[in-house]
Amino acid sequence: AQSVTQLDSHVSVSEGTPVLLRCNYSSSYSPSLFWYVQHPNKGLQLLLKYTSAATLVKGINGFEAEFKKSETSFHLTKPSAHMSDAAEYFCVVSDRLPGGKLIFGQGTELSVKP
Amino acid sequence: DGGITQSPKYLFRKEGQNVTLSCEQNLNHDAMYWYRQDPGQGLRLIYYSQIVNDFQKGDIAEGYSVSREKKESFPLTVTSAQKNPTAFYLCASSINSYSNQPQHFGDGTRLSIL
Repeated sequence: AQSVTQLDSHVSVSEGTPVLLRCNYSSSYSPSLFWYVQHPNKGLQLLLKYTSAATLVKGINGFEAEFKKSETSFHLTKPSAHMSDAAEYFCVVSDRLPGGKLIFGQGTELSVKP
Repeated sequence: DGGITQSPKYLFRKEGQNVTLSCEQNLNHDAMYWYRQDPGQGLRLIYYSQIVNDFQKGDIAEGYSVSREKKESFPLTVTSAQKNPTAFYLCASSINSYSNQPQHFGDGTRLSIL
């Protein structure tokens, strides 16, 4: 069965410093993996997706993630945090069962200090 | 602009009342989904539809019902059988239900009990 674990429920960084949000997954198959961002009282916006092409995936707003099969990880990074990056981030794995069901991590809240 | 529209943004339910949440998309997507989000938790799948006139139960379907009479519309009814309906409800759609397709989300409906 597929599952995803976000290792930190809350991460706090200073503006201009790097961001690292950690995600480990479990999958019986070669998974499709996604990172989504959610601002307060809003829906989720897709940041990036991995679907078995390049292992380093670039997304919007300067975010990127690296798929590491040996470590079953898909950590999200950004070289320099901006105040507007403060939000909730979800790591998501998609299984191969009918319906394209997504399995969500519990979320990591990112705070950015001025 | 193409997207997903959820209405209303806020909804209040009285004891014993059924309420219906609207979800409309103009992305020409085949698949649509309903999720429930509780504070500090990831999203949980209520129902999904891979094509018009077809829908399947998700992980927490009890107390909810849906219909898919048109490609663009996937309304969710929260029935009086749902004893703890207070949550943030998110509708999503994807081009199809294959596992590598990302889902696009609306801005949600927040349901509360009066």
